[in-house]
Amino acid sequence: EADIYQTPRYLVIGTGKKITLECSQTMGHDKMYWYQQDPGMELHLIHYSYGVNSTEKGDLSSESTVSRIRTEHFPLTLESARPSHTSQYLCASSAASGSWETQYFGPGTRLLVL
Amino acid sequence: AQTVTQSQPEMSVQEAETVTLSCTYDTSENNYYLFWYKQPPSRQMILVIRQEAYKQQNATENRFSVNFQKAAKSFSLKISDSQLGDTAMYFCAFMKYNFNKFYFGSGTKLNVKP
Repeated sequence: EADIYQTPRYLVIGTGKKITLECSQTMGHDKMYWYQQDPGMELHLIHYSYGVNSTEKGDLSSESTVSRIRTEHFPLTLESARPSHTSQYLCASSAASGSWETQYFGPGTRLLVL
Repeated sequence: AQTVTQSQPEMSVQEAETVTLSCTYDTSENNYYLFWYKQPPSRQMILVIRQEAYKQQNATENRFSVNFQKAAKSFSLKISDSQLGDTAMYFCAFMKYNFNKFYFGSGTKLNVKP
């Protein structure tokens, strides 16, 4: 079973607040990802990282930012939350195993911005 | 760009019966990976099954099997002897070989009825 953790699991916050969603993995994976997913909808990649000090924007434009100072940690920050940021945020990590590359997902953070 | 299409937004199946979820994808690559992920209600996304494009033999994991048709760019998931615990969103995903990004379909909501 994958060891990837996200905190908080649920967050209700007011408009304009700064928030950081935490994601940690204990598998030593180089690659980490953030997806945004509205309930029952598809996943949209918003950020990814190939390794420490490497971050890239994903396919969906996002006002959030990420950092990768340590291999195991990939936090996502919203400087000023807005109701349009209400969504579920999924963190994932992956590493090659032989010829395989498989993503492992965290449990997600459900964010509600009032 | 790669695209993944799941044309069935929602499906139902009776417990113990068999159901097939469809997935098509568009790519000009010859070497790639395909995945099916399962996301139960309010629970973590987990890998169900995966397939390498260069392997002609269809992957099988217990009650889950795929029908991989490379020329048709089709990758359907068959669930045999459906169980109530199979109720979930199922996402088809594509990844180019030696690449870092996964492309997900929009998902199929499967409801297994008792």
